[in-house]
Amino acid sequence: EVQVVQSGAEARKPGESLRIACTTSGYNFPNYWIGWVRQRPGKGLERLGIIYPGDSDARYHPSFQGHVAMSADRSINTAHLQWTSLKTSDTAIYFCARARDSGGLYFDYWGPGTLVTVS
Amino acid sequence: QSALTQPASVSGSPGQSITISCTGTDSDVGAYTYVSWYQHHPGMAPKLLIYAVNERPSGVSDRFSGSKSGDTASLTISELQAEDEADYYCCSYAGGDVEVFGTGTRVTV
Repeated sequence: EVQVVQSGAEARKPGESLRIACTTSGYNFPNYWIGWVRQRPGKGLERLGIIYPGDSDARYHPSFQGHVAMSADRSINTAHLQWTSLKTSDTAIYFCARARDSGGLYFDYWGPGTLVTVS
Repeated sequence: QSALTQPASVSGSPGQSITISCTGTDSDVGAYTYVSWYQHHPGMAPKLLIYAVNERPSGVSDRFSGSKSGDTASLTISELQAEDEADYYCCSYAGGDVEVFGTGTRVTV
């Protein structure tokens, strides 16, 4: 059974750094893309980017390029999303999800989300 | 890339059918057959309902169906149930490494 677990809620001040985690099980982690999606308070979903754990190929949505960094550790089946300098506008729930490629990507298994509060 | 346009809310009575629209452009919904739909109960993990416009993953009820015409995709929920009350999002491939989500629709039963 595929499972996606995310690290717990975090609170930081503007300018601080943060790394959140997404740990999967039940499938071959290196062989599937992992996507990161955020939901700001009262807003819809936005895709930040995707990473292929097999070779750490990371692709960012243009709006988020340079502000977040994705990584993957195949030894512990875990993907990470990292900020070096948080902004108050980064306050959101961050979801990770396994991505399947049918020509275009779709996300078939999602984590419950990590709430990040920056204030 | 702008978010796809969905109605803010749709409501229906138990047993009825409802349809949620997802309008994009000829650069996303209109250009590709890669539209997916997700159900999200706040506080929980979103759930994939439909991929590739009208394909249903195993385990998803056949009460959920997807379609597309031109720049607009649609999700139909038949035989509406109380448990269907949730937020629904469409998502379309938009070329390159970009997928764009819809604005989201709150379904009230």
